[in-house]
Amino acid sequence: SQTIHQWPATLVQPVGSPLSLECTVEGTSNPNLYWYRQAAGRGLQLLFYSVGIGQISSEVPQNLSASRPQDRQFILSSKKLLLSDSGFYLCAFTLGRSSGNTIYFGEGSWLTVV
Amino acid sequence: AQSVSQHNHHVILSEAASLELGCNYSYGGTVNLFWYVQYPGQHLQLLLKYFSGDPLVKGIKGFEAEFIKSKFSFNLRKPSVQWSDTAEYFCAVNAALGGGSQGNLIFGKGTKLSVKP
Repeated sequence: SQTIHQWPATLVQPVGSPLSLECTVEGTSNPNLYWYRQAAGRGLQLLFYSVGIGQISSEVPQNLSASRPQDRQFILSSKKLLLSDSGFYLCAFTLGRSSGNTIYFGEGSWLTVV
Repeated sequence: AQSVSQHNHHVILSEAASLELGCNYSYGGTVNLFWYVQYPGQHLQLLLKYFSGDPLVKGIKGFEAEFIKSKFSFNLRKPSVQWSDTAEYFCAVNAALGGGSQGNLIFGKGTKLSVKP
């Protein structure tokens, strides 16, 4: 069966410091990969998605970037964090047509920028 | 652009009460619909989903949802809630674009459900 893991689970970082959140998928190949953010008092917001290695689409212009160095690895990064980057970040994947578009989420990463 | 509205921010019920959480979306085409739940300290889990067919969908843990196309709604229901149903519930929609293609999944802001024992 397919699984998804992301880490770290919690992170407290000072303003201006870099960020790296990592996500890996197991048990499948060529998944569509996503990074979402859930900010306080708001719904889930799609940040980036990827349909293949090196293919990244950004939904919202911001201080963050994403990379997909391997088929089942998706990394969310920032060179300099802002206070507004605080929130709950979710990595997710879909399997394609046979899954009926169902999306599966990782455990989430709580980021607090201080 | 698509959007999803969940009108109730926080719902408080006593055990055995009936539950209905509203979800409305804006999109003129064919959609796939989902309800996700996030229990305290856990990650999001899929409760149920609708792609096509019977508009009344049954999910896990006694939950069901009804797709009413004319109202652009996909409300979540449970006849009798339990304390363990305390969680945050998210409605989500993506466009079924045909040929197996999909639009991105759009989430509502979530509804917190607190069930008093």
